[in-house]
Amino acid sequence: QKEVEQNSGPLSVPEGAIASLNCTYSDRGSQSFFWYRQYSGKSPELIMSIYSNGDKEDGRFTAQLNKASQYVSLLIRDSQPSDSATYLCAVHGSSNTGKLIFGQGTTLQVKP
Amino acid sequence: AGVTQTPRYLIKTRGQQVTLRCSPKSGHDTVSWYQQALGQGPQFIFQYYEEEERQRGNFPDRFSGHQFPNYSSELNVNALLLGDSALYLCASSTGTALNTGELFFGEGSRLTVL
Repeated sequence: QKEVEQNSGPLSVPEGAIASLNCTYSDRGSQSFFWYRQYSGKSPELIMSIYSNGDKEDGRFTAQLNKASQYVSLLIRDSQPSDSATYLCAVHGSSNTGKLIFGQGTTLQVKP
Repeated sequence: AGVTQTPRYLIKTRGQQVTLRCSPKSGHDTVSWYQQALGQGPQFIFQYYEEEERQRGNFPDRFSGHQFPNYSSELNVNALLLGDSALYLCASSTGTALNTGELFFGEGSRLTVL
């Protein structure tokens, strides 16, 4: 079992729709969770962080965390073609040292 | 200034050695290195803080590093293999971010081993 799992996609949604990206993790002691966006040929960029159960909203982005189910998700409302990228889920493990464990990423395609 | 990595692109042959360099974001004192193979997520190589290797991922001893007093860092890979071809990412953070994992990545160094 991978430490952080994501569906590699591609996930294709029409412009203006809601894109839902999912991630599961194996370390039950994990405390911090992150979503990074990576455009093709570029480096990852932090877009959301979440530390407690529930929802966290930032503009068109909502991160959701359920520690009991070991599940993290990212919702993108009113998806735009510029949102087309690979979204990486990253988990800060219970070792508390700043090491991030990344999933393989989900490729999102937003079609005009 | 953000995280700066050099060189951006390089081509080596099997058996050679390579050195990649990273200057962290201003105010950051911790540098982590990640390897990202095509189509995969970044994999943690190691992290440097106060000029010492703080934590290491599951990479062989061919991968080594260094951090300098100005917080900049180098990643060295010896005896290159074809499988070492990847994007090498440097990420910086502050000591206070160690508990949060919020990292700032450089643009990466794309290594091709022929």
